Amino acid sequence: GAGVSQSPRYKVAKRGQDVALRCDPISGHVSLFWYQQALGQGPEFLTYFQNEAQLDKSGLPSDRFFAERPEGSVSTLKIQRTQQEDSAVYLCASSLGRQNNQPQHFGDGTRLSIL
Amino acid sequence: QKEVEQNSGPLSVPEGAIASLNCTYSDRVSQSFFWYRQYSGKSPELIMSIYSNGDKEDGRFTAQLNKASQYVSLLIRDSQPSDSATYLCAVSNYGGSQGNLIFGKGTKLSVKP
Repeated sequence: GAGVSQSPRYKVAKRGQDVALRCDPISGHVSLFWYQQALGQGPEFLTYFQNEAQLDKSGLPSDRFFAERPEGSVSTLKIQRTQQEDSAVYLCASSLGRQNNQPQHFGDGTRLSIL
Repeated sequence: QKEVEQNSGPLSVPEGAIASLNCTYSDRVSQSFFWYRQYSGKSPELIMSIYSNGDKEDGRFTAQLNKASQYVSLLIRDSQPSDSATYLCAVSNYGGSQGNLIFGKGTKLSVKP
């Protein structure tokens, strides 16, 4: 595809349920990032993959959050035992190379609402 | 704590005027700087990137970087109503090979016809 694709666009879950969010990066992009954006705030970094290797997960807010990219392409962000404070837009971004001057291109995000 | 600060606005300018958006950052080793535009309910869209001191122009947009003052700005000339959006300043966290971004909270720009 031409851009970063995320699914689902909207997800409503009850508190305590597990959710899985999918990101399909731009073809050939080595780096993949997950961000969390609360209403009225800028995106906040969650985790970073270089190919299939998760090089940084320092932004994950708790051990209920887990991300994987097993084949170095599609990535899944999983949230277990969801809480109301998990409600936010989850953005995925990819960039072509490994260097920090490579622009990141964002998907449209998944808007997660926990009831 | 590495921080990126922006005036949240809203910044209101008349159509055709110059809009000036400002951003300061706390980490002196930051090397890459980006401006993203985000329409309500949409994803951030890259507008400009800048890596060295001085000005960088692209159409109606000019990014300015002053590393000594830890300051980066975005000028939008001949502002149009379609420029009305939230503008996010982003700074690359590391000087090396990893590039997760630290974002400001964004400045909401409103261009009045």
